[in-house]
Amino acid sequence: GAGVSQSPSNKVTEKGKDVELRCDPISGHTALYWYRQRLGQGLEFLIYFQGNSAPDKSGLPSDRFSAERTGESVSTLTIQRTQQEDSAVYLCASSLVGGQGGYEQYFGPGTRLTVT
Amino acid sequence: AQTVTQSQPEMSVQEAETVTLSCTYDTSENNYYLFWYKQPPSRQMILVIRQEAYKQQNATENRFSVNFQKAAKSFSLKISDSQLGDTAMYFCAFLTGNQFYFGTGTSLTVIP
Repeated sequence: GAGVSQSPSNKVTEKGKDVELRCDPISGHTALYWYRQRLGQGLEFLIYFQGNSAPDKSGLPSDRFSAERTGESVSTLTIQRTQQEDSAVYLCASSLVGGQGGYEQYFGPGTRLTVT
Repeated sequence: AQTVTQSQPEMSVQEAETVTLSCTYDTSENNYYLFWYKQPPSRQMILVIRQEAYKQQNATENRFSVNFQKAAKSFSLKISDSQLGDTAMYFCAFLTGNQFYFGTGTSLTVIP
């Protein structure tokens, strides 16, 4: 595809359930980022993947959050035992290389997660 | 620690007028990049403009330009001839190493 895609676009789940969010980056982009955006707020960094290097997980808020990436393609963000404070838009972004080259990120449309 | 501050939560501008959105940042790094992103109600984040810290010349993209003051750690965005389609949240972002840092955003409304 031409851009970053994310699925689902909206997800409503009950508290305590697990959810899985998917991101398809732009083909050829080696770097992939996940962010959380709470209503009316800025972007909160969650995790960063660069090629086959170990991911930077420094932004994950708790051990209920995990993410995987298969090679340089699809990534999934999993939230276990969801809580109401997990309600937010989850944005994925990809870029050609990591930050050293200063390449801008291209964002997906996000997944709006609502925990009831 | 790197921080990005956008001190104007909301702004409005009359159509065809000019508006400036402010952004300051704090870092001890010397090599970094700065960006302005736009997020319209559709939620899709779109890159507006990009500035390399080692370049003294201010970046310009059509109606969008920046005033980059490295010593003051300031990176403001000027939108000329504002259009209704410019209504959006605007985020200032700072990149160093492999991590981006975003400000809390400025909500801009263009009034017809």
